[in-house]
Amino acid sequence: GAVVSQHPSRVICKSGTSVKIECRSLDFQATTMFWYRQFPKQSLMLMATSNEGSKATYEQGVEKDKFLINHASLTLSTLTVTSAHPEDSSFYICSARVITGKGNTEAFFGQGTRLTVV
Amino acid sequence: DAKTTQPNSMESNEEEPVHLPCNHSTISGTDYIHWYRQLPSQGPEYVIHGLTSNVNNRMASLAIAEDRKSSTLILHRATLRDAAVYYCILRQNSGGSNYKLTFGKGTLLTVNP
Repeated sequence: GAVVSQHPSRVICKSGTSVKIECRSLDFQATTMFWYRQFPKQSLMLMATSNEGSKATYEQGVEKDKFLINHASLTLSTLTVTSAHPEDSSFYICSARVITGKGNTEAFFGQGTRLTVV
Repeated sequence: DAKTTQPNSMESNEEEPVHLPCNHSTISGTDYIHWYRQLPSQGPEYVIHGLTSNVNNRMASLAIAEDRKSSTLILHRATLRDAAVYYCILRQNSGGSNYKLTFGKGTLLTVNP
């Protein structure tokens, strides 16, 4: 299957600093990527849809000025958590939509980034 | 988004089949039924999907009720590596940003050796 790679897998940062998470499609081009957040023992919550060459679409309740998304190329989307606070500590996961054979569509997910804000 | 209902948890023994149920009584005629699973500290992994007919792949089988209001993911022989949270998700049959997936709480599958 298609490979989506996230970097870093783990990051610890100080409160008030910014952290950038990269999501790359390694063997395909992704015009659309999705960013999710997952708190411990909870399900994935969609944060935003990242569109190549245009502005991201944010879900209700997600602060676009705090979670900056850039999708400058067909293989890379980045999520920057600005002015991070301990409550932003979470597992961040990206995914990309891939059109497979026979017109089917599947979503492939990155391995996730564990962010800890201290 | 149409909602799905799954049991919070299930247990199985290694080498035995596992049937994971999902109810989706409000499914629309164009919704696909997708199953993903998530191992601890990893991103979700695609398992299988279907529309009306039963589906088989190397990982699992998907049995869809005739009225499409429920489905069952079948793992034919559970292994310890199948221990994960399994998510049943309905996806609208449209492309672009409408491909976003809405995750419920899923079923935590425990596999006993």
